[in-house]
Amino acid sequence: EPEVTQTPSHQVTQMGQEVILRCVPISNHLYFYWYRQILGQKVEFLVSFYNNEISEKSEIFDDQFSVERPDGSNFTLKIRSTKLEDSAMYFCASSNDPAAGGYTFGSGTRLTVV
Amino acid sequence: QKEVEQNSGPLSVPEGAIASLNCTYSDRVSQSFFWYRQYSGKSPELIMSIYSNGDKEDGRFTAQLNKASQYVSLLIRDSQPSDSATYLCAGGRSGGSNYKLTFGKGTLLTVNP
Repeated sequence: EPEVTQTPSHQVTQMGQEVILRCVPISNHLYFYWYRQILGQKVEFLVSFYNNEISEKSEIFDDQFSVERPDGSNFTLKIRSTKLEDSAMYFCASSNDPAAGGYTFGSGTRLTVV
Repeated sequence: QKEVEQNSGPLSVPEGAIASLNCTYSDRVSQSFFWYRQYSGKSPELIMSIYSNGDKEDGRFTAQLNKASQYVSLLIRDSQPSDSATYLCAGGRSGGSNYKLTFGKGTLLTVNP
């Protein structure tokens, strides 16, 4: 069964450092998403991406965040200057028809900012 | 603010019982709803989707949607210990390229052997 692949599975970084979280969506999917989940809290929308551009972003997705699709397969989330409150599980998701079939989530990257 | 609300539980049922999970939503324009299962430390996994009023059954799972009451539920029949997880309700609306799901906080279900 096709999978969404995320790397790394766990990243520890110092406050103020830049991190890049990587995702390989399912190959025929066109809709890509980043969500995050702070421990014990809900899965929160960060950004959606369609046709090689951002289609929507949340209030959380400020200037510290950026997304790219550097090639035909990868989808990355960059956090420029990490803060302690960025510590969370970050999930990438993809879909070919989200209204009909929802999303397939990757296994997540646990980001710990120290 | 378009919210999806769930009773966070925890909900505890004995093995073999029916588990009933509930969800309400505030966005009347939401058209499709999804139930995801999330084991501790893992990513959400899609269980069911429902778009029309009424019931939809898939194996031991039945999703129910009542758009007039803005209410979605998930019934799990013959609950098994392996069903112990957090169940996330999510709602979405058609919007072309900017379709997204909004998740509730989840209900923690424990099935006791």
